[in-house]
Amino acid sequence: KQEVTQIPAALSVPEGENLVLNCSFTDSAIYNLQWFRQDPGKGLTSLLLIQSSQREQTSGRLNASLDKSSGRSTLYIAASQPGDSATYLCAVGGTGGGADGLTFGKGTHLIIQP
Amino acid sequence: NAGVMQNPRHLVRRRGQEARLRCSPMKGHSHVYWYRQLPEEGLKFMVYLQKENIIDESGMPKERFSAEFPKEGPSILRIQQVVRGDSAAYFCASSSTPRETQYFGPGTRLLVL
Repeated sequence: KQEVTQIPAALSVPEGENLVLNCSFTDSAIYNLQWFRQDPGKGLTSLLLIQSSQREQTSGRLNASLDKSSGRSTLYIAASQPGDSATYLCAVGGTGGGADGLTFGKGTHLIIQP
Repeated sequence: NAGVMQNPRHLVRRRGQEARLRCSPMKGHSHVYWYRQLPEEGLKFMVYLQKENIIDESGMPKERFSAEFPKEGPSILRIQQVVRGDSAAYFCASSSTPRETQYFGPGTRLLVL
C-alpha cells in the first residue's frame, strides 16, 4: 500500500527566504507526482506535475524535483512571500490510490512572516 | 474557461438523510475523480469515472456510497442514510486524459447533525 509522508508538518519562515519542502513515498511504481497548494477552506490548486520519466519541473519561483528510485521529491520555493502561506500537498499517482487516483500526504503548513 | 465546479459548497444533513454532491468537470475533460478529506486527515481517493463508466471504485465505502457520471450532466456522488462520520470535505477533480494533471474543484463541505 502506497504511503506518502511530508516533512516538516509545519514551517514558519521570514519573508524572502528560500525554502524546501520534502515528500517521500514508499512504492516507487508511480506514474507521476503532483504538488498542490490548499488555502484554508478552499480547494486545491495544482502547482507542478512531474511525470515518472522526468527529474524536475519549474514554474516561476517554484522548482520540484523527483527521485523515483529513492522515493523522494522536493519542492523548492525561492524568495518566499506572504502570499505563499498555505498548506502544500504532495500526491503520487500509481499504486495504492487506485490505478488512476492520487495518494496524498498530509501536507506541510507553511507560514511566511511579513 | 471555467474550472471544476461543485455544488452545493456547503450541505447540512441530519442523520439518516441522503446527500447528493454534484461535480461539473472542466470543459473538455471526461475523467472525474472524487476524494474525501476528513477532519485532521489527508485527502483519500474514492472513485474514478469516465462518461457513463466507473473505472475504479477501490476507495469507496462498500455501503451507502455510490457515484455516477452520466452521458449528459454532472457527476453525482450520492451518500444514503448519512451518519456523523460522513462529515467531511468532498472534492472532485477532472483531467483531460488519465494520468495527467488533475484540476480540483472548491469542494463540498458536508456536515451531518
